[in-house]
Amino acid sequence: NAGVTQTPKFQVLKTGQSMTLQCAQDMNHEYMSWYRQDPGMGLRLIHYSVGAGITDQGEVPNGYNVSRSTTEDFPLRLLSAAPSQTSVYFCASSYLVGRGGGNTEAFFGQGTRLTVV
Amino acid sequence: AQTVTQSQPEMSVQEAETVTLSCTYDTSENNYYLFWYKQPPSRQMILVIRQEAYKQQNATENRFSVNFQKAAKSFSLKISDSQLGDTAMYFCAFFMNTGFQKLVFGTGTRLLVSP
Repeated sequence: NAGVTQTPKFQVLKTGQSMTLQCAQDMNHEYMSWYRQDPGMGLRLIHYSVGAGITDQGEVPNGYNVSRSTTEDFPLRLLSAAPSQTSVYFCASSYLVGRGGGNTEAFFGQGTRLTVV
Repeated sequence: AQTVTQSQPEMSVQEAETVTLSCTYDTSENNYYLFWYKQPPSRQMILVIRQEAYKQQNATENRFSVNFQKAAKSFSLKISDSQLGDTAMYFCAFFMNTGFQKLVFGTGTRLLVSP
């Protein structure tokens, strides 16, 4: 059972470049989400999804796109990287409240450290 | 807008002592989950404890327990018999339902356990 697989672990981009952070889970979770972690600001929600074909914006969605064509995959696309997007990114998945019972918890990928120069 | 508030950016405690980390949240829903996650220097996110809102009994996991005050929207974490390995960032999280469910986090509390 692989859990949540997030790739790559590290990435350096030049300003204006685009890239996709990959996230895949094998637990049949409905809920998936992307966060960015910056010092002193906790984990801020970028985009999230409650099932295939359903996505919504979180707190800081600008500059990022997502899609959810399958239950397993939830890629995050940076359209035109900016230095302000330098951060650590986490993908997470979970059962929705009411579906996982007492074992509901969010499982996280190992994070991606992204630097935009 | 942030709906989970952790008002203590940093805390310190000596080994074997007890420390309490505070968390408040905002919701008008009745059915939700609350979590505390630990993030050690490895960056891995580790579930410490969870609380289902409809359960009045406070959750406990070994040395970790919560004080869940639903009416006050408060969810504090108590760590008893602190160990050096407890040194980490601790995040309070709230699985909220606003039409779509979403999981939001506080800004974190950095806990340092000293010998």
